[in-house]
Amino acid sequence: DAKTTQPPSMDCAEGRAANLPCNHSTISGNEYVYWYRQIHSQGPQYIIHGLKNNETNEMASLIITEDRKSSTLILPHATLRDTAVYYCIVRRWGNAGNMLTFGGGTRLMVKP
Amino acid sequence: NAGVTQTPKFRVLKTGQSMTLLCAQDMNHEYMYWYRQDPGMGLRLIHYSVGEGTTAKGEVPDGYNVSRLKKQNFLLGLESAAPSQTSVYFCASSPQKVGTSGRSYNEQFFGPGTRLTVL
Repeated sequence: DAKTTQPPSMDCAEGRAANLPCNHSTISGNEYVYWYRQIHSQGPQYIIHGLKNNETNEMASLIITEDRKSSTLILPHATLRDTAVYYCIVRRWGNAGNMLTFGGGTRLMVKP
Repeated sequence: NAGVTQTPKFRVLKTGQSMTLLCAQDMNHEYMYWYRQDPGMGLRLIHYSVGEGTTAKGEVPDGYNVSRLKKQNFLLGLESAAPSQTSVYFCASSPQKVGTSGRSYNEQFFGPGTRLTVL
């Protein structure tokens, strides 16, 4: 599975868009990009996933570059409750039982 | 729906003691997982199950055993606890879901965690 690289930490002002980058330059054609987040002391929470098209749901938008070597998770209007560690994970499709590998992630601090 | 629940929430053990952590889900999910998370680290997969009666090793299985006798429950056992097993343990489950691409993807639902200390 492709490895991912994320900045260890980022700050964002409340109400502004938070843009979290992820590099996955060795991604294969049969691998999804997943984003999860973990709010302090809680279990991780699924946010969104994508293959090659941009995706949007009620929580966030995912922008994947055309060559699929990097992606950006966008929280359009960050709130204090979005303060969390955000994990970018690359994993192949096919078997929903495949394990996800959670690396270090990006610690996002939303400030008032 | 209660989602994914874990029992107990906290536990302190002495070295050499045994215990079982219980994970239950009421969403009829096929897949279940046990992770551990050490301070300042990401999650590491211990064992997982792709269905009732089946289990498989994850990234860090040594010192743990699991069982999935019922679809809704996934048990994690420590036969002889060691201080290195002090951690927060998370259980997760996931359904078989197919995305807009027509291929399955992995949306895992996590429990609240069990904080285990081994003295």
